[in-house]
Amino acid sequence: TQLLEQSPQFLSIQEGENLTVYCNSSSVFSSLQWYRQEPGEGPVLLVTVVTGGEVKKLKRLTFQFGDARKDSSLHITAAQPGDTGLYLCAASTNFGNEKLTFGTGTRLTIIP
Amino acid sequence: DAGVIQSPRHEVTEMGQEVTLRCKPISGHNSLFWYRQTMMRGLELLIYFNNNVPIDDSGMPEDRFSAKMPNASFSTLKIQPSEPRDSAVYFCASSTRGALYNEQFFGPGTRLTVL
Repeated sequence: TQLLEQSPQFLSIQEGENLTVYCNSSSVFSSLQWYRQEPGEGPVLLVTVVTGGEVKKLKRLTFQFGDARKDSSLHITAAQPGDTGLYLCAASTNFGNEKLTFGTGTRLTIIP
Repeated sequence: DAGVIQSPRHEVTEMGQEVTLRCKPISGHNSLFWYRQTMMRGLELLIYFNNNVPIDDSGMPEDRFSAKMPNASFSTLKIQPSEPRDSAVYFCASSTRGALYNEQFFGPGTRLTVL
């Protein structure tokens, strides 16, 4: 069973600070996705990375896929209270395989 | 456009009662997923359907859980009899099979409390 470990599990920082959260596994993935979930809502897709070493930017968020396609990171610059939420990584092992395995999640709180 | 619709949003029931959760996927999506989320276990896939056919139910915890998809626009997840340990948020998600990166669109969830 593939396992996606996310770290840290909880993170609370002041507005304006930078942060990085991680998603790690011993398995190789064909693609990896990051979702954000706000209280009382379902997860919403932020980005998909598919190529080893790939970097994608979404405003203040930078996503990187590891060279070996086993891990990923999410870096937030100048965090805002609106970034507060549960960040989940999710991965599939084969292209066309619809089944996603979700990570354990990082619960982020940005303090105004 | 309407997203994934789930009902009810909240359900409180007593142990032993039957619970039915409902989901309407996004129109045109041909894959539907049921997940359960708890603090202890995170987001777990229970079962998923493609073109109304169950493909993988290995995540269904036990025989008390059953899911159906009678047509492309409706699915149910039933728990009978319910137990306190079934308390969780249940999410339905839909996607388009064949889409390159399998983006899943989630509903708002049903928060189930079994007393």
